[in-house]
Amino acid sequence: ETGVTQTPRHLVMGMTNKKSLKCEQHLGHNAMYWYKQSAKKPLELMFVYSLEERVENNSVPSRFSPECPNSSHLFLHLHTLQPEDSALYLCASSQVGGPPSSYEQYFGPGTRLTVT
Amino acid sequence: AQSVAQPEDQVNVAEGNPLTVKCTYSVSGNPYLFWYVQYPNRGLQFLLKYITGDNLVKGSYGFEAEFNKSQTSFHLKKPSALVSDSALYFCAVICTWTGNQFYFGTGTSLTVIP
Repeated sequence: ETGVTQTPRHLVMGMTNKKSLKCEQHLGHNAMYWYKQSAKKPLELMFVYSLEERVENNSVPSRFSPECPNSSHLFLHLHTLQPEDSALYLCASSQVGGPPSSYEQYFGPGTRLTVT
Repeated sequence: AQSVAQPEDQVNVAEGNPLTVKCTYSVSGNPYLFWYVQYPNRGLQFLLKYITGDNLVKGSYGFEAEFNKSQTSFHLKKPSALVSDSALYFCAVICTWTGNQFYFGTGTSLTVIP
C-alpha cells in the first residue's frame, strides 16, 4: 500500500468542525479519485480529477470539497458534516488516456471517519 | 446504465474446497471487468481484470475469473480456498466513455472455515 497513502487513518469530528483528508500517490498516475464506502452499499464515487480536470458529481453535498493541487496530491475538505457522513473514505489513482490494459485503480488504505 | 451485481452478500466455504464468488454485469459495448479484494481496515487491492482475449483470466493469490459473454458473468474462482482468503470481494466494470469511471458491486464477504 505504499503506492497510495492516506492520512489520517482515523478521524472523529463533531458536526461543527472543519477537517481535511489527505491522499498522496507515488505511482506517477494522472487521475485521482475519492470514494465513500458505507456498509451494505456500493462504493460511491465522489470526485474525480483526471488530467488535472475535475469531474463533478452532483449528488455529493457541498459540505465535501475536494482540492487537487497537483497530480500527486488530493485533499477532501470537510465542514459541518452530518452523522450519516460517517464512513470509510477511500482515495484511488489510475493512469488514464492509455490502453485499456492500464485502467485498474490503485487504492489507499482509507480514512475511517466518525461524525458525532 | 452500466452496473454489476453480486447476488451473494456472504459466501462460506471450507478450507481446501473450491470457491466461487459470483458477478454479473450490464454494460453498453465491450465490458472491462475487474475483481478487487478488501481485507479488514485496508483499501481495495486489485486481483485481476478482463479486457480482451482469453475468457479465463488468472490473477494474484491463485485466483482466476471466467468471462462469459452469453451469461454476462465474470465469476471469481479459486481451486482450493485458504483461511487467509477470508475478505470482502468486489466486482467492478469500467465505463470508458465517462472518464473511465468504475462501477462497483456491493461486495461479497467470503469466509473460509478452517
